[in-house]
Formats: sequence, C-alpha cells, structure tokens
Amino acid sequence: AQSVSQHNHHVILSEAASLELGCNYSYGGTVNLFWYVQYPGQHLQLLLKYFSGDPLVKGIKGFEAEFIKSKFSFNLRKPSVQWSDTAEYFCAVIMNRDDKIIFGKGTRLHILP
Amino acid sequence: EPEVTQTPSHQVTQMGQEVILRCVPISNHLYFYWYRQILGQKVEFLVSFYNNEISEKSEIFDDQFSVERPDGSNFTLKIRSTKLEDSAMYFCAGGAGSNTEAFFGQGTRLTVV
Repeated sequence: AQSVSQHNHHVILSEAASLELGCNYSYGGTVNLFWYVQYPGQHLQLLLKYFSGDPLVKGIKGFEAEFIKSKFSFNLRKPSVQWSDTAEYFCAVIMNRDDKIIFGKGTRLHILP
Repeated sequence: EPEVTQTPSHQVTQMGQEVILRCVPISNHLYFYWYRQILGQKVEFLVSFYNNEISEKSEIFDDQFSVERPDGSNFTLKIRSTKLEDSAMYFCAGGAGSNTEAFFGQGTRLTVV
C-alpha cells in the first residue's frame, strides 16, 4: 500500500543543534513532496515543497529538504534550530498526479531553550 | 493573507447525533478536502471534492459521512450518526490545483460522548 513513513516520533534538541527528520515513501512513480508544520494551537502550514527540478529545496524559516529518488526519501533539515521551532512536523506526498495528500504520522519536535 | 476558516473550533456531541462541520475555503481554490486526525495518530484523508462532486474518498468516508458546497463558499462535512470513534480533529483544506499544496484550516475538534 502507498504510505509515508516518518521514523522519528518525538525528537528533543537543544537550541543551535542541527536537525534532520527522516521521511520515506513507498511508491515508484512520480511524486510531489511536502513538509508541513503545526505549531501548538495552530493549523498546518506549508514549510516547503518539491515538484520537480533541483532536489534540494529551501523553505521558510531556514528549513530545507532533499529529495533522493533512489532512496524514496525527503528528509527535512535545519542547521541550527531555535526554541520557536518547537512544533509537529508532517511529511506528505501526492502520488502520481493524484489529487490527495497522504501524510506521515508526524514528528513532534521539542527544542530546549 | 487569505486563509481557510473552520467553525466551530470545538464541538461536543452525544453519540448518535448528527454534526455538521463548516469550512470557508480560500475563494480562488477549486479543490477541497477533509482530513481527520485522531489524537496521537496521523492525519488521514477522508474525501476530496471538485466541480461540485466527490472526486475521491477513503475507506473511512462511509455512508455516515457526506460533504456539500451548498452556496459556492461554504464547504461542509456532515456526520449523520456520530460514534465514539469519530472523535478527532477534522481539518478542511483547499488547493488551486489537483496536485499542488493544500492550505489547511485550524481544525474542528469533535468530541463524541
């Protein structure tokens, strides 16, 4: 079955640490890839997206993600996290020009001040 | 900045009652979605809606669920006879295209007692 896997369910880091959140999907065809963030008490917001072109995409707030087709991965990175990055992060995929987004289970990120 | 608005933010209902969750999508969006997130679980696709009809629905979206866009602005999700397991956060989303990013509302927390 088509699915999206996020390996880290809960990550705790100190401020200024580097971040990498893993995301893999199981589908061999064309994909559109997203990372969404949900800050406490707020709605899902788009961090970044990949449709085509340069596999290294940059998003808001210093986040970036790299699409590695051979690994079916789209990991999210940030070189130096801030306390305000505390939130839940969702990897999401649209598979083969489908019209629905499939989400991973989410990773809860907690940044210690 | 335009945003998707959902009402109410929290609804408590008795098992067996009907509920209607309301959403006002961004005005130039053409594709509309409902997702839900049971506490501690992933964001799950329920239904997509385009051109005044359902384009896709998941296994969760059974006969108890229906969607409408009655007046060209509101987009509603109705649950005819709620069950305890319908308790979840329900998110409305909209997009300009069929395989582009979706913009989410803040969600309605439905509690069935």
